[in-house]
Amino acid sequence: DSGVTQTPKHLITATGQRVTLRCSPRSGDLSVYWYQQSLDQGLQFLIHYYNGEERAKGNILERFSAQQFPDLHSELNLSSLELGDSALYFCASSVTTGNGYEQYFGPGTRLTVT
Amino acid sequence: GESVGLHLPTLSVQEGDNSIINCAYSNSASDYFIWYKQESGKGPQFIIDIRSNMDKRQGQRVTVLLNKTVKHLSLQIAATQPGDSAVYFCAEGGNTGKLIFGQGTTLQVKP
Repeated sequence: DSGVTQTPKHLITATGQRVTLRCSPRSGDLSVYWYQQSLDQGLQFLIHYYNGEERAKGNILERFSAQQFPDLHSELNLSSLELGDSALYFCASSVTTGNGYEQYFGPGTRLTVT
Repeated sequence: GESVGLHLPTLSVQEGDNSIINCAYSNSASDYFIWYKQESGKGPQFIIDIRSNMDKRQGQRVTVLLNKTVKHLSLQIAATQPGDSAVYFCAEGGNTGKLIFGQGTTLQVKP
């Protein structure tokens, strides 16, 4: 158990819908990262927040957005869902930002868009 | 552009043998590399990391080797056990902390 929690574990929804994925980082970790894992793209970095502020963006679609709240939990919002958005979404946390700080991954949320 | 790739999609080894998983990276400016293990149905789990000012680092039954000349990274697992069966990813750490992952190598351990 990494100490990172993600809810829900599974999510099935229809195209065009909007969903929210939630992540609680390890106690004391200020950085939260979101990754998408699909069969054809592998693990792709989406976005990074540090202590409530966005720090880096990766291959994140405009239909996707995220935020980190004062209690440090984070939410990833996916809207106008398409079949291709079906994937595993992982959240990771680390004590701070930058190289050398181990990222701990949560168990993931499996999103299925039908 | 930036990319981290793995040479082989699947590696099959006999229990007790040593395993070597390879990775090539393209960004010569990268200064931090990590190996992750992902078991079925779970999130990636940190194994070991190495900075670019090192060429070797050892952990418990694992060793990471870094060859900056040819931009190559490898993970060696000693005395491979059935519990080592998983997908292994190398990743490159950026200044912002974001990780760029390779495609992954599946390690199968035969009893």
